[in-house]
Amino acid sequence: GQQVQQSPTSLVLQEGENAELQCNFSTSLNSMQWFYQRPGGSLISVFYNPSGTKQSGRLTSTTVIKERRSSLHISSSQITDSGTYLCAMAPYGSSGNKLIFGIGTLLSVKP
Amino acid sequence: EAAVTQSPRSKVAVTGGKVTLSCHQTNNHDYMYWYRQDTGHGLRLIHYSYVADSTEKGDIPDGYKASRPSQENFSLILELASLSQTAVYFCASSDEDWGDEQYFGPGTRLTVL
Repeated sequence: GQQVQQSPTSLVLQEGENAELQCNFSTSLNSMQWFYQRPGGSLISVFYNPSGTKQSGRLTSTTVIKERRSSLHISSSQITDSGTYLCAMAPYGSSGNKLIFGIGTLLSVKP
Repeated sequence: EAAVTQSPRSKVAVTGGKVTLSCHQTNNHDYMYWYRQDTGHGLRLIHYSYVADSTEKGDIPDGYKASRPSQENFSLILELASLSQTAVYFCASSDEDWGDEQYFGPGTRLTVL
């Protein structure tokens, strides 16, 4: 089964609204990362967040290891936030530190 | 300056031809990875390496070989390219095993015709 589930799969916001993206894991994890990607673009690391809460500007990530979930909160969304947000986890105990990715949340921010 | 670079950034190949994708990192990291991205599948691990001259299979290694001639360089080789290998390929590096952060290159868009 799918080890990393992201929700929602897509989201449309008006500029200025807040967004909450979720990532749930079916197994225990060593760490997780959030990435941002524009269509046809590179992966931009947004957060490396093995546990707890991290904030960077308008973005906040919270990872709760015991509950096997992580969230990405975007406050006061801007048109330039549009794109795909991917979460990925390194399963606990797996060799090689490989990342398992979710399929992503496609965010569209309208003016 | 970018710490993980990939070349070429895009490539068109013919079915049955040989394709080599290259990755170079200046992070001084031991671990390097090759992922492919397809619509609807997210990114999946093809091969990885934790030391020069050694490679390991990832989750989808069939049809791919990897080569790690030095700590800085990691190549992905498609001996007989097929249509199904059309995808975007990402290289990454990390310092250690056990959940360390991974740093990604800009990706290579490969189209097999």
